[in-house]
Amino acid sequence: GAVVSQHPSWVICKSGTSVKIECRSLDFQATTMFWYRQFPKQSLMLMATSNEGSKATYEQGVEKDKFLINHASLTLSTLTVTSAHPEDSSFYICSARENSYGYTFGSGTRLTVV
Amino acid sequence: GDSVTQMEGPVTLSEEAFLTINCTYTATGYPSLFWYVQYPGEGLQLLLKATKADDKGSNKGFEATYRKETTSFHLEKGSVQVSDSAVYFCALSAASGGYQKVTFGIGTKLQVIP
Repeated sequence: GAVVSQHPSWVICKSGTSVKIECRSLDFQATTMFWYRQFPKQSLMLMATSNEGSKATYEQGVEKDKFLINHASLTLSTLTVTSAHPEDSSFYICSARENSYGYTFGSGTRLTVV
Repeated sequence: GDSVTQMEGPVTLSEEAFLTINCTYTATGYPSLFWYVQYPGEGLQLLLKATKADDKGSNKGFEATYRKETTSFHLEKGSVQVSDSAVYFCALSAASGGYQKVTFGIGTKLQVIP
């Protein structure tokens, strides 16, 4: 089946630094990938839709300058959390749509900002 | 906008008990419906899906039927196991602004005790 690889699975960083999270579709091409954020005991909230070769579409309330998304190829999308602060600590998950299997999710990245 | 409502947990059951997790939705048009499962420390995995009214999705003993008349997609399993302990998310996918957008419910934590 379709597989999406997400790295790193967890990261701890100091406040004020930037963190990059990668999302790769391993055996299919994904023209569109999605980035979600999950707060403890809450559902997944869509942050942005990443389109290959064009600018990402951000959901209302998501700071595009803080959460930089790059979708440079059909198999790779990256999310960079810039100048991270403790309130950015969360679980971030990417997904991609593969026609035969629907939406496939990465394993997620737990970000802790100290 | 689209929304998914599911029962809040945690749901605690004894092994071999019958499971029902309710899910209802509101959406314009004809969405596809999904159940995802999230095991501790992992990302989401697609459990089952249904793409049109009266379709039944099934996998690993879990079932859910797309009921358009009641806008529901309840998850059921006849006999749960300890290994089924996880968080279950009901979700819908519908067209929004030229692409498919996935909306999740809050998630229901299931705890199965021996």
